[in-house]
Amino acid sequence: EPEVTQTPSHQVTQMGQEVILRCVPISNHLYFYWYRQILGQKVEFLVSFYNNEISEKSEIFDDQFSVERPDGSNFTLKIRSTKLEDSAMYFCASSETGSDTEAFFGQGTRLTVV
Amino acid sequence: RKEVEQDPGPFNVPEGATVAFNCTYSNSASQSFFWYRQDCRKEPKLLMSVYSSGNEDGRFTAQLNRASQYISLLIRDSKLSDSATYLCVVDAYSGAGSYQLTFGKGTKLSVIP
Repeated sequence: EPEVTQTPSHQVTQMGQEVILRCVPISNHLYFYWYRQILGQKVEFLVSFYNNEISEKSEIFDDQFSVERPDGSNFTLKIRSTKLEDSAMYFCASSETGSDTEAFFGQGTRLTVV
Repeated sequence: RKEVEQDPGPFNVPEGATVAFNCTYSNSASQSFFWYRQDCRKEPKLLMSVYSSGNEDGRFTAQLNRASQYISLLIRDSKLSDSATYLCVVDAYSGAGSYQLTFGKGTKLSVIP
């Protein structure tokens, strides 16, 4: 079964450092997403990406965050100048079409900012 | 603000029991509805989509009431493997090209031998 893969599974970084979280969406999917889940809280939408540009973003996705599709397979989330409150599980997801179809989630990257 | 509300539980039920989860959503324009399952520290996985006519998949039945903005999930003959957090998920429709999903906090289910 095709799956979304994310690397690394766990990233520890010092406050103020930049991190890049990587994702390989399912190959025939056209829509890509990043969500985050702070421990014990709900899954929150960050950004959606379609046709090589951001289609939607939440108020969480401020200038500290950026996304990129550097090649035909990878989809990255960059967090500049990380803060303690950025510690969370970050999930990448992809879907064949928009939000009326199943979004497949990767296994997540646990980001710990110390 | 578009919200999805769920009873957090936990629901502790014996094997074989029937359990029902409820969810309400605030965005009347939402068009797509789902139940996802999330195991501890894992990613959400789609359990089933929810349609206006109601739908069933084996032991699982989902219902949608658009007028009341209410979604339900019924699990019959609970198995130990059903233990997980069940997430009510709604598209946060805000116009054409809206793709984000809004998640509830989830209802935790523990099925006890």
